[in-house]
Amino acid sequence: GAVVSQHPSWVICKSGTSVKIECRSLDFQATTMFWYRQFPKQSLMLMATSNEGSKATYEQGVEKDKFLINHASLTLSTLTVTSAHPEDSSFYICSASRTGAYNSPLHFGNGTRLTVT
Amino acid sequence: QKEVEQNSGPLSVPEGAIASLNCTYSDRGSQSFFWYRQYSGKSPELIMFIYSNGDKEDGRFTAQLNKASQYVSLLIRDSQPSDSATYLCAVKYSGGGADGLTFGKGTHLIIQP
Repeated sequence: GAVVSQHPSWVICKSGTSVKIECRSLDFQATTMFWYRQFPKQSLMLMATSNEGSKATYEQGVEKDKFLINHASLTLSTLTVTSAHPEDSSFYICSASRTGAYNSPLHFGNGTRLTVT
Repeated sequence: QKEVEQNSGPLSVPEGAIASLNCTYSDRGSQSFFWYRQYSGKSPELIMFIYSNGDKEDGRFTAQLNKASQYVSLLIRDSQPSDSATYLCAVKYSGGGADGLTFGKGTHLIIQP
C-alpha cells in the first residue's frame, strides 16, 4: 500500500526557535499533501493543503506566516513552525493521496510530536 | 459548516462480540467516507472506505453507508483486545479537487477480555 514517511517523529525545541517537519510519499506521486494538527483527546484538524509548485491553502484561523509550507516536488512537502511557542506543542500529521485519483484514500505519515519548552 | 458527528464513548464491548460504531454527517452532497483507527500517540491508519450505499465487507470489518439518512457505520465482528483504539470517521465533501477530509472527534472503543 501507499507509504507516507514523516520526519522527525518527535522534536523538542525552545520557545522562539523554528522547526521543520518533512513529509514524503515513498511509492507514489502526490500533487497535493495535507497537514493536520491534533491536540490531546481532540480530533485531527486540517491546517493547510500543500500544492506542488504553488502556494499552500490555509484553513481559517491558521497563520500562514507562522506555519510555512513548501511543496517543491511531487514527493516532498515541508512544514516549518516558525518562532514556536508552547501553545504550538501538538501532534502534527501529514497525509497524501495519489495524484489524479480524486477518491483515493488519504494515507498518513507517522506524525511528529512537537514539544516547545 | 460541514460537520461529522460521532459518539465519543468510551464504547465497551466484550471480546468476541460485534462492535458497532456510528457516524453522521451534515452535507448531503458528500461522496466519500472513510474509517480510520488511531492508537494512542500514533497517527491514523485506514481501515475501510466506502462510496456507495449499502455494505462493504473486508475481513472482520463491515462498513455501511446510507446516504439518504446521512449515516455511515463500521461493524467489527469477533472483536479482539487489539481492536481497542479510537475510530475516526472521515468525510470527503463535494466540491471538486483533492480536498482534505473532515474528521469526527472519534469513538473510543474498549474491547474487554
